[in-house]
Amino acid sequence: GAVVSQHPSWVICKSGTSVKIECRSLDFQATTMFWYRQFPKQSLMLMATSNEGSKATYEQGVEKDKFLINHASLTLSTLTVTSAHPEDSSFYICSARESGVREGSPLHFGNGTRLTVT
Amino acid sequence: GNSVTQMEGPVTLSEEAFLTINCTYTATGYPSLFWYVQYPGEGLQLLLKATKADDKGSNKGFEATYRKETTSFHLEKGSVQVSDSAVYFCALSSNSGNTPLVFGKGTRLSVIA
Repeated sequence: GAVVSQHPSWVICKSGTSVKIECRSLDFQATTMFWYRQFPKQSLMLMATSNEGSKATYEQGVEKDKFLINHASLTLSTLTVTSAHPEDSSFYICSARESGVREGSPLHFGNGTRLTVT
Repeated sequence: GNSVTQMEGPVTLSEEAFLTINCTYTATGYPSLFWYVQYPGEGLQLLLKATKADDKGSNKGFEATYRKETTSFHLEKGSVQVSDSAVYFCALSSNSGNTPLVFGKGTRLSVIA
């Protein structure tokens, strides 16, 4: 089955530093990947849609300069949290749908990255 | 816009009890519907799906039927196990374009022996 690998699974960083999270589709190509954020005991909030070879589309209220998304290839998207602050601590999850698959098919999710900013 | 409403948790059941988690949706057109499960500290795993009205998705003893007339996709399992303890998310996807999923708030299920 389709596998999405997300790395790192957890990271602790100091306030003011930047953290990069990688999301890879291991056995399929994905022209579009989605980044979600999940607060404790809450649902997933869509942050942005990552498009291969073009700029990401951010949801309202998400700072594009803070959450930099790069989708350099059909199998890799990265999310960089720049100048991280404690309020950025959260669980970040990426997801992807196989390119060319029928519309409405499921998303495949990475295992998430727990970011803690001290 | 599209939205998903699912029953508030947490839900606590004894092993072998019957499970129902209600989910209703609002959408234009004919969305695809999904149930995802999230175990502690992990990402989301697809549990089951249905792509059109009256479809029944099933997996690992869980079932859900796409009811267009009631705009519902309730999750059921006849006999839960301790290992079913997790958070369950109902979600929908528009069938137009490569669109993200819209999730419900999630329902935490705890099964006790």
